[in-house]
Amino acid sequence: AQKVTQAQTEISVVEKEDVTLDCVYETRDTTYYLFWYKQPPSGELVFLIRRNSFDEQNEISGRYSWNFQKSTSSFNFTITASQVVDSAVYFCALSEAFTGNQFYFGTGTSLTVIP
Amino acid sequence: GAVVSQHPSRVICKSGTSVKIECRSLDFQATTMFWYRQFPKQSLMLMATSNEGSKATYEQGVEKDKFLINHASLTLSTLTVTSAHPEDSSFYICSARSLALSQETQYFGPGTRLLVL
Repeated sequence: AQKVTQAQTEISVVEKEDVTLDCVYETRDTTYYLFWYKQPPSGELVFLIRRNSFDEQNEISGRYSWNFQKSTSSFNFTITASQVVDSAVYFCALSEAFTGNQFYFGTGTSLTVIP
Repeated sequence: GAVVSQHPSRVICKSGTSVKIECRSLDFQATTMFWYRQFPKQSLMLMATSNEGSKATYEQGVEKDKFLINHASLTLSTLTVTSAHPEDSSFYICSARSLALSQETQYFGPGTRLLVL
């Protein structure tokens, strides 16, 4: 079974629009961590955020915000006022203490911001 | 801090040759290193996990004789693709983890693009 599901394969938005990338995860562990990474065309993974299972506070960092809801096992990522530089593939990942903190990546969402 | 480098960033080789990819943790000691493979428009797939000084643990379906992993020191792991074939062409990414820094976070290298002709 897929531990991390990113249902949106590709999204296109016009510059300055807001966009939300969905991430749903599955785990039986009580201690786990969730991550978001950005992968631009160069290929390098850029770390965006880490959230542990005991901290459900939403977080905002500039134009980025994250909504963590354990009740729905979701960790969604919103970009406000999108820019062309936001165009990339975004991966959500899960790390479980039970499995030695092995990373489980979602299939990624390819975001294209149209100028 | 927590920088991971990979070398080379890009390699083209002929079918049948072996290619070695290096992964280094530059400013920390990596107790565990991971090797991933990513095909175009796909996600990262874990190939193997290696702890310094011990044999790597390979994921199901990954040939250990094909993909040789050596983690000889706390700052260096190497992946050797032996007798490479065109189907081995992919993007290989390593990551490193340090218990001293964070048990749950992996720090990723910039990746190596391998093209086998």
